[in-house]
Amino acid sequence: LAKTTQPISMDSYEGQEVNITCSHNNIATNDYITWYQQFPSQGPRFIIQGYKTKVTNEVASLFIPADRKSSTLSLPRVSLSDTAVYYCLVGRMNYGGSQGNLIFGKGTKLSVKP
Amino acid sequence: DSGVTQTPKHLITATGQRVTLRCSPRSGDLSVYWYQQSLDQGLQFLIQYYNGEERAKGNILERFSAQQFPDLHSELNLSSLELGDSALYFCASSVGRDDNSPLHFGNGTRLTVT
Repeated sequence: LAKTTQPISMDSYEGQEVNITCSHNNIATNDYITWYQQFPSQGPRFIIQGYKTKVTNEVASLFIPADRKSSTLSLPRVSLSDTAVYYCLVGRMNYGGSQGNLIFGKGTKLSVKP
Repeated sequence: DSGVTQTPKHLITATGQRVTLRCSPRSGDLSVYWYQQSLDQGLQFLIQYYNGEERAKGNILERFSAQQFPDLHSELNLSSLELGDSALYFCASSVGRDDNSPLHFGNGTRLTVT
């Protein structure tokens, strides 16, 4: 089970780019990296997923170095509405194996200020 | 809108009672997952069903049980309720069984045990 480590909290200001890094030193060959966003009293929402290098969608970018032992979620030009908890999950649940992609840690609480 | 429907939205009951939470997955999704989120425990994975069969178990108490019906909706039964069972209960669904397909969460059922 690939354990992930993220900062507990981060502060930013509107219009800035925010980078949240997740460490996963024992990531396995078949593991993917998935990020979710959660607002208070709502279910988590899928943001982005990647395996290596860089993935970009309309919401965020995900940077994964060659050794895959960490990943960085990049949110461009954040707004107040990006204030939320962000979770990094790593894993692929093979038969009888890891449930890493189902395990949410404490996440990173991002606070965006005006 | 994630496409996952959970009912009821709120539930207030007394200690020792039994309740049933219901979840309808997104159209086409075969896996259903249940999570519990309380203030001090974060988001805890309880159980996964795939196409009617139990697939993975997390930190689910013996007082709790779940099932997935032929129409793929799922129910989480909580019995002998205790004050500490007060939490948000989320259901999620995904396409696959053991793959990296993202989870899509409902808006949860808020259970209050008095």
